[in-house]
Amino acid sequence: EDKVVQSPLSLVVHEGDTVTLNCSYEVTNFRSLLWYKQEKKAPTFLFMLTSSGIEKKSGRLSSILDKKELSSILNITATQTGDSAIYLCARAISNFGNEKLTFGTGTRLTIIP
Amino acid sequence: NAGVTQTPKFQVLKTGQSMTLQCAQDMNHEYMSWYRQDPGMGLRLIHYSVGAGITDQGEVPNGYNVSRSTTEDFPLRLLSAAPSQTSVYFCASAPGQGFRYGYTFGSGTRLTVV
Repeated sequence: EDKVVQSPLSLVVHEGDTVTLNCSYEVTNFRSLLWYKQEKKAPTFLFMLTSSGIEKKSGRLSSILDKKELSSILNITATQTGDSAIYLCARAISNFGNEKLTFGTGTRLTIIP
Repeated sequence: NAGVTQTPKFQVLKTGQSMTLQCAQDMNHEYMSWYRQDPGMGLRLIHYSVGAGITDQGEVPNGYNVSRSTTEDFPLRLLSAAPSQTSVYFCASAPGQGFRYGYTFGSGTRLTVV
């Protein structure tokens, strides 16, 4: 089955807190795992992870992939109200030479001032 | 810097009507795809294309047709609209396979079928 599961489904924290979002996937022709941030409209790309144990970092956001556990986490430190969004995880698979993304349902993050 | 342009932004259809959602990109991307987003369901792939003249089905293709006659355009056709097709539709493109640069998404079309 081609599933991507994210947890928690929603999270409410205070500004300044650190959050960890989780993503797990089922492995079939796995190529990479991607994280997106979706505010009001279109998702915007955050990270792509292909190798286990190598952290990708952008400012206060970081992410790491664990291929053994079939999972990834997205960390956000010192959260700000602008971090409020839906965070989507997607797995890229190879299907007869063509690749496509399967998305999780997302984690809705709300930052309270 | 237009990126991925979707039209219309909003549409209301009656059951049984047909329509085409337009998607155009000006980045010379090979890879284009259509997703629908429903509450609690995440983004689900409808159809995708790896280049002009080549299309393939995603996980929820029923009731939709696509074609890719040019690199720039990837329209999505609803053949006979049903209330179950009420959703937000996103078009996305990427330079090529491998998703090395992630997808670029359009701003979405909110479709309501009554």
